[in-house]
Amino acid sequence: ETGVTQSPTHLIKTRGQQVTLRCSSQSGHNTVSWYQQALGQGPQFIFQYYREEENGRGNFPPRFSGLQFPNYSSELNVNALELDDSALYLCASSLAPDTQYFGPGTRLTVL
Amino acid sequence: KQEVTQIPAALSVPEGENLVLNCSFTDSAIYNLQWFRQDPGKGLTSLLLIQSSQREQTSGRLNASLDKSSGRSTLYIAASQPGDSATYLCAVEDSNYQLIWGAGTKLIIKP
Repeated sequence: ETGVTQSPTHLIKTRGQQVTLRCSSQSGHNTVSWYQQALGQGPQFIFQYYREEENGRGNFPPRFSGLQFPNYSSELNVNALELDDSALYLCASSLAPDTQYFGPGTRLTVL
Repeated sequence: KQEVTQIPAALSVPEGENLVLNCSFTDSAIYNLQWFRQDPGKGLTSLLLIQSSQREQTSGRLNASLDKSSGRSTLYIAASQPGDSATYLCAVEDSNYQLIWGAGTKLIIKP
């Protein structure tokens, strides 16, 4: 158990809809990173937040957006869902620049 | 652009054997290298973290080595057990504290 929780566990949406995924960081961690993992592939970095500010972004379009709150919990929002957005979404918290601790992930299916 | 490759993509060995998983990366300017384990449908568990200044790390039956100059890391698993069956991923952390991942090696230990 890493102390990082994610909700929901599973989610089914249809193309064009919007989704919000949530992550609760491990106590004391001020950095959260989000990753997308397609089936059979390694995770891809989406973005990172440090003390409520975006601190780096991977090669994802603007319809992927995020927030980090004062308690360092975080949200990942995806607008205009596409079939290829179906994946496991992982968040990881850390006390930068230390080891990242991963949550169990949210499995998103887009139909 | 950093690229991480893991070979082989899949490996099946009898219980009790020692085995080596390989990871290579194209840019030696890394902050650290980490090995993770992922069980089916689950999140990621950190196994070993090697700082860029280190050559190896050990934890129980696991030993990871790092050769930055050649862009290679190996994960050695001694006396394999069926419970070791999982996908093993390596990731390098760049100077922006972002993780770049390989696609993983799926390991099956046959009883």
